[in-house]
Amino acid sequence: GAGVSQSPSNKVTEKGKDVELRCDPISGHTALYWYRQSLGQGLEFLIYFQGNSAPDKSGLPSDRFSAERTGGSVSTLTIQRTQQEDSAVYLCASSASGRVSYEQYFGPGTRLTVT
Amino acid sequence: AQTVTQSQPEMSVQEAETVTLSCTYDTSENNYYLFWYKQPPSRQMILVIRQEAYKQQNATENRFSVNFQKAAKSFSLKISDSQLGDTAMYFCAFMKLYGNKLVFGAGTILRVKS
Repeated sequence: GAGVSQSPSNKVTEKGKDVELRCDPISGHTALYWYRQSLGQGLEFLIYFQGNSAPDKSGLPSDRFSAERTGGSVSTLTIQRTQQEDSAVYLCASSASGRVSYEQYFGPGTRLTVT
Repeated sequence: AQTVTQSQPEMSVQEAETVTLSCTYDTSENNYYLFWYKQPPSRQMILVIRQEAYKQQNATENRFSVNFQKAAKSFSLKISDSQLGDTAMYFCAFMKLYGNKLVFGAGTILRVKS
């Protein structure tokens, strides 16, 4: 079946603009994760959704970052007033359950460049 | 907080030879999971192998095996019979038993040479 998909693949935006990054998880997966991969910070957790529970937002770096997951499926990560330090690859992953024994399947990521 | 350290930024190996990637971690947890992920140039992270901390036996997956030393908090990955397709960035990662996020190391770039 289809894997995790993300769009766009690449996004170039001007400093100060808002951007939306989309993630389509594997059908039936209840858990969804966002990670950020940057040169300076490596791979870091951003946010976690599990079913209808309140998301774990503990990794979001500032209040300019937000995410939602509609209908328990598609998720959108929004960055407001982008800054150059937001340039990174944003990876989405999903798993059949939030339990650690279930493998996280990653998408190909969105490369965001803020000019 | 948990931390994961990969001390080898880059490694290279000849095709068909064996290479070992190092990983150490720090945690006060007793039960947890450890992972090795592969990220080829396509950016798609792929799970290579997983180890449950409560299991003493080292995990193996075909040409990939780990040396898990719980007391030393060490988790190295051995790749046998290296293939050109093994060229990628390899990440070591940690997750608490009831956690919901992976904590990654900085990664090791592995180049397999023909």
